[in-house]
Amino acid sequence: DIQMTQSPSSLSASVGDRVTITCRASQSISSYLNWYQQKPGKAPKLLIYAASSLQSGVPSRFSGSGSGTDFTLTISSLQPEDFATYYCQQSYSTRTTFGQGTKLEIK
Amino acid sequence: QLQLQESGPGLVKPSETLSLTCTVSGGSISSSSYYWGWIRQPPGKGLEWIGSIYYSGSTYYNPSLKSRVTISVDTSKNQFSLKLSSVTAADTAVYYCARHTYRFLAFIGDYYYMDVWGKGTTVTVSS
Repeated sequence: DIQMTQSPSSLSASVGDRVTITCRASQSISSYLNWYQQKPGKAPKLLIYAASSLQSGVPSRFSGSGSGTDFTLTISSLQPEDFATYYCQQSYSTRTTFGQGTKLEIK
Repeated sequence: QLQLQESGPGLVKPSETLSLTCTVSGGSISSSSYYWGWIRQPPGKGLEWIGSIYYSGSTYYNPSLKSRVTISVDTSKNQFSLKLSSVTAADTAVYYCARHTYRFLAFIGDYYYMDVWGKGTTVTVSS
């Protein structure tokens, strides 16, 4: 199976900060990479698909980049509602796998 | 607007079989553009994909769970179901159902993502 590793596991930041989360795949997955946001007690929400395509309704401060094995999720200016846990997911294989998550906390 | 709703027992005894159903409303489970899947999240941990099914009955399972998992679909009821046998405390989790949308993207080809999720249901394995 393809292993997905996120870094950092947790991150403290302030409103207005620019934040970057990294996801690395154990083998090349081209651009088959999705990003999700999950708030406590809620289901995950799709933010980015195909590494860099913004899901409908998601604010433009979220962006994704990368291909092959290395990917990033960037939030250009953190808003209070962005404090959550973020997961990457590879859809290169039908046997999909998720990263372990990055918890974004308020500094 | 498409909605998914998980249902089933919240408490299952060790060694027994966990059974959950996901009811799809606001759309048809028989659309050719979608798979339907189950994902779980143990308390305080990350997401684990369990398996997925097409309306025709074609399935994909997580290799680590494959020997214990069965996912089925009932198109007449617009539902799909999960059975996980021989459960232990390690199977205690929030279980989510989700729609996998398949699309053709010009720059990459066939692609899928999970774009509609149920709210999740907590299943505890305990005697």
